[in-house]
Amino acid sequence: SQQGEEDPQALSIQEGENATMNCSYKTSINNLQWYRQNSGRGLVHLILIRSNEREKHSGRLRVTLDTSKKSSSLLITASRAADTASYFCATDARGGKLIFGQGTELSVKP
Amino acid sequence: GAVVSQHPSRVICKSGTSVKIECRSLDFQATTMFWYRQFPKQSLMLMATSNEGSKATYEQGVEKDKFLINHASLTLSTLTVTSAHPEDSSFYICSATLAGGLGETQYFGPGTRLLVL
Repeated sequence: SQQGEEDPQALSIQEGENATMNCSYKTSINNLQWYRQNSGRGLVHLILIRSNEREKHSGRLRVTLDTSKKSSSLLITASRAADTASYFCATDARGGKLIFGQGTELSVKP
Repeated sequence: GAVVSQHPSRVICKSGTSVKIECRSLDFQATTMFWYRQFPKQSLMLMATSNEGSKATYEQGVEKDKFLINHASLTLSTLTVTSAHPEDSSFYICSATLAGGLGETQYFGPGTRLLVL
């Protein structure tokens, strides 16, 4: 299966702390994306990083990509209770398809 | 911009009935729409890829006669779960890519929760 793996599966932190989630994948990619899903809702696109990029920032989000290790990380700085959600990485596949990782369930306690 | 809607948001039906779920791109034209299924506490699994005016492409293991997909226009795709059974109960999510765009980013609908009794 091309589906990636994410760790940790669940992460619980206090408000203000940083949260780091990791994603590994199996095949070569053109880009890797991170999405957020609130419970029982659709997905929201957070950030896209291309295979020739190593790091990207967007607000409190920082994404890194290591194509040699086939891994990526998502860092959320100064977390807030509203960041509580599930976070998924997704890699591109032929035909514009996305292959999603298993997800990390983040809980930020006020 | 790039808003995708789904209707209905939740549906309960009896076993053996068919259920239609609509996916609409509200403020853009979508070259391609994707249908996913998500079981509780699990990731999204791609079911099929839908292109306007052509037959959908189904992923391995997804029965095309059970999950009928129609992509009649650049803003609407429908998924019909035929003869639904309790094991079809799941969260169904669609997504769309922008016509004329790179097709890298998918815009997701809010999902439809199906419960088959």
